[in-house]
Amino acid sequence: DAGVIQSPRHEVTEMGQEVTLRCKPISGHDYLFWYRQTMMRGLELLIYFNNNVPIDDSGMPEDRFSAKMPNASFSTLKIQPSEPRDSAVYFCASSSTGVLNTGELFFGEGSRLTVL
Amino acid sequence: AQSVTQLGSHVSVSEGALVLLRCNYSSSVPPYLFWYVQYPNQGLQLLLKYTSAATLVKGINGFEAEFKKSETSFHLTKPSAHMSDAAEYFCAVSSSGYSTLTFGKGTMLLVSP
Repeated sequence: DAGVIQSPRHEVTEMGQEVTLRCKPISGHDYLFWYRQTMMRGLELLIYFNNNVPIDDSGMPEDRFSAKMPNASFSTLKIQPSEPRDSAVYFCASSSTGVLNTGELFFGEGSRLTVL
Repeated sequence: AQSVTQLGSHVSVSEGALVLLRCNYSSSVPPYLFWYVQYPNQGLQLLLKYTSAATLVKGINGFEAEFKKSETSFHLTKPSAHMSDAAEYFCAVSSSGYSTLTFGKGTMLLVSP
């Protein structure tokens, strides 16, 4: 079974450039989460979707960040313009209603972003 | 509100020694508690979870954790460490019923020969 698929795995860009991270959740999962991991802050929930609808985006750091889920099998996290402090590993995770209330999330391998 | 505190950002053990990773939580309602493991350059994967059934929970790879309400703790243990256990471990909490997970800051387990 394919797990959560994220691309790119690594991205190096210059400050001011637009960055788009992509995620394909596990087929049949109706929840999708975007997390950011840094040494200083640990794992932070940025935003999550249920049935393609954003439910809580209170973790999105600022207006430079945006996320979309145009269909059940695809989501993007966009940073425009990017800044060095956005350097982090970004994880996408998915889950289904039946198990979500017991907290089991399935994580992708992450996208490591470096902004120079 | 819910929160998780993991004591010790790094824990070092020798191969074959007991592993003890500490986690304390706060939650205004009965919690669901989890341990996730992250191997280098990978995402997190579920190790075990407590969802109000047995207080002693067994997970994969010989790990187990005990829910102690009086101590608001959910410490992770393994009787004998293996080199392959070297990874970062995250404790997480969610309120009973649906809510999002809150993760601790993680504990890096180092295993020496």
